[in-house]
Amino acid sequence: AQKITQTQPGMFVQEKEAVTLDCTYDTSDPSYGLFWYKQPSSGEMIFLIYQGSYDQQNATEGRYSLNFQKARKSANLVISASQLGDSAMYFCAMRERTGANNLFFGTGTRLTVIP
Amino acid sequence: DAEITQSPRHKITETGRQVTLACHQTWNHNNMFWYRQDLGHGLRLIHYSYGVQDTNKGEVSDGYSVSRSNTEDLPLTLESAASSQTSVYFCASSPDLNSPLHFGNGTRLTVT
Repeated sequence: AQKITQTQPGMFVQEKEAVTLDCTYDTSDPSYGLFWYKQPSSGEMIFLIYQGSYDQQNATEGRYSLNFQKARKSANLVISASQLGDSAMYFCAMRERTGANNLFFGTGTRLTVIP
Repeated sequence: DAEITQSPRHKITETGRQVTLACHQTWNHNNMFWYRQDLGHGLRLIHYSYGVQDTNKGEVSDGYSVSRSNTEDLPLTLESAASSQTSVYFCASSPDLNSPLHFGNGTRLTVT
């Protein structure tokens, strides 16, 4: 079974609007961490935001926030006030505390911001 | 500033040749990882290391090996390159398992 599922291969958003990128995960480990990374066309992987499974509040980092719904096993990324520079691939990832503690990635969502 | 560097950035090799991709980090991180990125698959873990002399197989380790003789370096070796190993390879490191990974800029490998 897929550990991380990103069901939106591509998304479009108007500049200055907000957009939500979906991510669901599958784990039986009570302790885990969720990460979002951005990959622009230049190819580097840029860490955006982290949410721990025991964190009571949704994580926020500037214009990025993580809508964490533990019971639904979802960790959607919300980007507010989209900018042209937000056009990129976005990857959701999860690390479980037990086992090998590897970071599992989803297949990504390509976001295009329209002027 | 601390960083993680991969070399070469681009490599073309022939089927059957041995290839080694370098990864060097100056963060002094214990944990290091190699991923490959392919369309439709995201990033998949090849090998990882939690410290010197420690190496472990990841999800797609067949045909690859790593060694960890010091904290800074985790070279990835393709024993006998195959066309299926054409991919973009990322090295990453982290100080602990609660921290995000710091990624290198990637190596684009083409096996002809």
